[in-house]
Amino acid sequence: ILNVEQSPQSLHVQEGDSTNFTCSFPSSNFYALHWYRWETAKSPEALFVMTLNGDEKKKGRISATLNTKEGYSYLYIKGSQPEDSATYLCARRGSNYKLTFGKGTLLTVNP
Amino acid sequence: DAGVIQSPRHEVTEMGQEVTLRCKPISGHNSLFWYRQTMMRGLELLIYFNNNVPIDDSGMPEDRFSAKMPNASFSTLKIQPSEPRDSAVYFCASSLSGGAGEQFFGPGTRLTVL
Repeated sequence: ILNVEQSPQSLHVQEGDSTNFTCSFPSSNFYALHWYRWETAKSPEALFVMTLNGDEKKKGRISATLNTKEGYSYLYIKGSQPEDSATYLCARRGSNYKLTFGKGTLLTVNP
Repeated sequence: DAGVIQSPRHEVTEMGQEVTLRCKPISGHNSLFWYRQTMMRGLELLIYFNNNVPIDDSGMPEDRFSAKMPNASFSTLKIQPSEPRDSAVYFCASSLSGGAGEQFFGPGTRLTVL
């Protein structure tokens, strides 16, 4: 994997459903993996920063896991709500402070 | 804290004109990043500064783009001359190097070049 890739590109779920999406990234020279939440007409807001293989982070109904050896991270949302509708971006940080972003997963939660 | 401040929020200009975008990072942050967001390419890093020094400008599209950071509280991104394909949302972000590297984004400047 040369770039940061996210899947699916978009996702529609019903309120109350649980969902998850994937971020794949180059595992060499890895330093950190960032997840951001980006609502329409706003700026990206940081959700999690993970550095260690096996890291798990949780914030309310949202959680994330990290596998640095195989180069992937999962973001989970439990019991989706309409206010969770946003684009979820992941970004890989190498040995410098530069972040390489994926193109995001657009989540729409229908009431 | 006011967060990262960008100005203007919207800019409409004609092809060939000079455009200057401004950014004030969060006080105490020593890394500053300029990004461009387009439908086709997503969020791309243009340039980043550490302690006011440009570290990586490999994302700057061409010589028409330049960025400066004269002090720790101010940066500019200039496009001269502007072209319609420069139309995009330009984000500035800042972070504290040495920490987790979490970046805090400004509200962005939506640039339209006619």
